Amino acid sequence: EAGVAQSPRYKIIEKRQSVAFWCNPISGHATLYWYQQILGQGPKLLIQFQNNGVVDDSQLPKDRFSAERLKGVDSTLKIQPAKLEDSAVYLCASSLNYNEKLFFGSGTQLSVL
Amino acid sequence: GQQVMQIPQYQHVQEGEDFTTYCNSSTTLSNIQWYKQRPGGHPVFLIQLVKSGEVKKQKRLTFQFGEAKKNSSLHITATQTTDVGTYFCARDFGNEKLTFGTGTRLTIIP
Repeated sequence: EAGVAQSPRYKIIEKRQSVAFWCNPISGHATLYWYQQILGQGPKLLIQFQNNGVVDDSQLPKDRFSAERLKGVDSTLKIQPAKLEDSAVYLCASSLNYNEKLFFGSGTQLSVL
Repeated sequence: GQQVMQIPQYQHVQEGEDFTTYCNSSTTLSNIQWYKQRPGGHPVFLIQLVKSGEVKKQKRLTFQFGEAKKNSSLHITATQTTDVGTYFCARDFGNEKLTFGTGTRLTIIP
């Protein structure tokens, strides 16, 4: 079966610019996650969707980050404006349902200069 | 808050030696999952433990869930160079949110 698709693979922007990441989960997976992974650290959950509803976004910096899941399938994560500390790998994952194993995409490596 | 410590942070072993990483929680966990992330790669699911005292094996890997469901361990017997990577536990505190630990980075000395 096809895995979780993410794009772009790499992105370099200057601080205060905006950026968007796209994720297409595995077909039929109800739960979609966006994680931020800073070098040397574990993935940090930014937002979790169940179908097209938000389950948890308690660690999402809502003044600059936004995310949506269109029709309960694809998802986009946006940062506007970006800060230097946003440099990280942004991982999208999906699971059949919550409490099930996660399948991760290859991630988007963001560098903010 | 709900925190889970993962120890050690780094482990360097000679090829053929055993390796163990521990995941400890201050509160009871609903279940625990283990993931492996190769250098430059993304996390890949290894196992999920749900029951108190559960032990599961995958070839050279042995996973345990504590009786009190507050800690877990991953043990690798006779490490190989293919075992290199960072091992993460991911915990569900029963709030439907999967929280990853800090990971244990395993390097193998050939």
